[in-house]
Amino acid sequence: KAGVTQTPRYLIKTRGQQVTLSCSPISGHRSVSWYQQTPGQGLQFLFEYFSETQRNKGNFPGRFSGRQFSNSRSEMNVSTLELGDSALYLCASSLGETGWATEAFFGQGTRLTVV
Amino acid sequence: QKEVEQDPGPLSVPEGAIVSLNCTYSNSAFQYFMWYRQYSRKGPELLMYTYSSGNKEDGRFTAQVDKSSKYISLFIRDSQPSDSATYLCAMGGMDSSYKLIFGSGTRLLVRP
Repeated sequence: KAGVTQTPRYLIKTRGQQVTLSCSPISGHRSVSWYQQTPGQGLQFLFEYFSETQRNKGNFPGRFSGRQFSNSRSEMNVSTLELGDSALYLCASSLGETGWATEAFFGQGTRLTVV
Repeated sequence: QKEVEQDPGPLSVPEGAIVSLNCTYSNSAFQYFMWYRQYSRKGPELLMYTYSSGNKEDGRFTAQVDKSSKYISLFIRDSQPSDSATYLCAMGGMDSSYKLIFGSGTRLLVRP
């Protein structure tokens, strides 16, 4: 069974640009969550989607947005990039039927560097 | 105060030692608990999942949850150099609304 796939693996962007990251969950999983990981803040929750609906959002500015498609694949977008957005962006996939009681499996992440 | 506290380490042990990793938490509503292993520049890998209190064993790994003390542990028996990584605890519950709350991670180094 294929795991969680995130693309691209690495990105270098300039301040002010925007970026789109993609996540394909494990087959059959309907919940996709996004996390930002930095050395200083650790893993911080961005948002979670289930059946194309955002069920929860973390404390990030509106520049961070996401969506989920009918095949459960998800994208997140960051507009007007800032240096502080440099991080490893991780996507987690779970069955999600109850949303909170199932195991979450992570992809390898997208390492975003903003210069 | 953070919702989940985890000693960042690093924790250095000789090969073959029993390793104990721990997290404490403040939210009594947390009901499910996970341990992840993360190698440098990789995504977290799920090691153990526990729902509510009790113990769970999987090979060399044992997870313990003590909800009365708000304390969870991961034990690694016969530790190997390949276990050298950062170990993250994560947890959630009804009131955390589909998000996991992570500890800051403990760096483990197993010396050959």
